[in-house]
Amino acid sequence: EPEVTQTPSHQVTQMGQEVILRCVPISNHLYFYWYRQILGQKVEFLVSFYNNEISEKSEIFDDQFSVERPDGSNFTLKIRSTKLEDSAMYFCASRTGTGGTDTQYFGPGTRLTVL
Amino acid sequence: QKEVEQDPGPLSVPEGAIVSLNCTYSNSAFQYFMWYRQYSRKGPELLMYTYSSGNKEDGRFTAQVDKSSKYISLFIRDSQPSDSATYLCAMSAGAGKSTFGDGTTLTVKP
Repeated sequence: EPEVTQTPSHQVTQMGQEVILRCVPISNHLYFYWYRQILGQKVEFLVSFYNNEISEKSEIFDDQFSVERPDGSNFTLKIRSTKLEDSAMYFCASRTGTGGTDTQYFGPGTRLTVL
Repeated sequence: QKEVEQDPGPLSVPEGAIVSLNCTYSNSAFQYFMWYRQYSRKGPELLMYTYSSGNKEDGRFTAQVDKSSKYISLFIRDSQPSDSATYLCAMSAGAGKSTFGDGTTLTVKP
């Protein structure tokens, strides 16, 4: 069964460093998302992406965040200058948008630790 | 008021019990209703998906949506220790973002 994959599974970085989190959505899906989950808290929406542009973003998704679909398969989240409070699980999700089970499927997540 | 409120739990039941998990919501635009299961430090795994109102059954799992009351439920019949996890309700208005509940942690004791 097709699934969303994410790399790396765990990323440790120093405060102020840039990180790029990578995702490969399900191949025929058209909508892509990033969410985060701080330990012990709820899953929070960051950004959605459709037709090569951001369709919606939350207040959390400020200027230090960016997303890109550099080729036909990858979807990336970049954090330019990481802060301690960016430590969280980051989940990528994708959705077909064309009928069937038209809902979001999540990847296994990247655990980001900012020291 | 939160957009999505989920019964907080935690919930502990004996094996074989029927489990009821519930969420209420305030946004009338929500049309897609999902239940995810999440194990510690793992990604949400889609369990059930319902569009608009009604019931949906899949094996031991039944999802119910009552849009008039803005209330959704997940029932688990004949619960097993392997069902022990955190259950997340989530909702969306369309192809946009999903809004999640806080999650209910379920423990099924052998």
